[in-house]
Amino acid sequence: DAKTTQPNSMESNEEEPVHLPCNHSTISGTDYIHWYRQLPSQGPEYVIHGLTSNVNNRMASLAIAEDRKSSTLILHRATLRDAAVYYCILYNNNNDMRFGAGTRLTVKP
Amino acid sequence: SQTIHQWPATLVQPVGSPLSLECTVEGTSNPNLYWYRQAAGRGLQLLFYSVGIGQISSEVPQNLSASRPQDRQFILSSKKLLLSDSGFYLCAWSGGFYSAQNIQYFGAGTRLSVL
Repeated sequence: DAKTTQPNSMESNEEEPVHLPCNHSTISGTDYIHWYRQLPSQGPEYVIHGLTSNVNNRMASLAIAEDRKSSTLILHRATLRDAAVYYCILYNNNNDMRFGAGTRLTVKP
Repeated sequence: SQTIHQWPATLVQPVGSPLSLECTVEGTSNPNLYWYRQAAGRGLQLLFYSVGIGQISSEVPQNLSASRPQDRQFILSSKKLLLSDSGFYLCAWSGGFYSAQNIQYFGAGTRLSVL
């Protein structure tokens, strides 16, 4: 299975943009890139997903490299409520959504 | 709208005791259902998934089992708990069609401590 690599932790200041990187050099042509986040003591929640084109929704933006070997989750204005572990996942319809260690985002006031 | 219920929120059980965690989904039919476990400070590990009533796929060999007696009910069980069964157990559902775009929706989780 294709794997993803994310930094263990990142820090951001409140109301500033945050760029969370993810490397997935072994991605296959049919893998979708999904992002979830997990707030403390809660279950993960869906953030965004994409295949090739950049995607925007009310929570975030997803920028996908042209060769699809990396992607970046963009939070346009971080708030204290965005402090969470962010997971970058490659998903190919095999019912096995593999959550790695993710990136722990700390937002400073 | 769809909702997922998982209970109990917290559970403390002695080693060797049985376990039953229940998960139900409302507002959808024929969902895919999942059980995950998360050890402290770690990522999620898929334990079981189900694409229909009575259909269970196991991802990790262990002393846990799962059952799906009804379309929107998923149960995680154990006959005898081990210390290593401690963790945060999460139930999730997704659309019942096969798609790499399927979004998984998670319950609030059960924090199990085996003492």
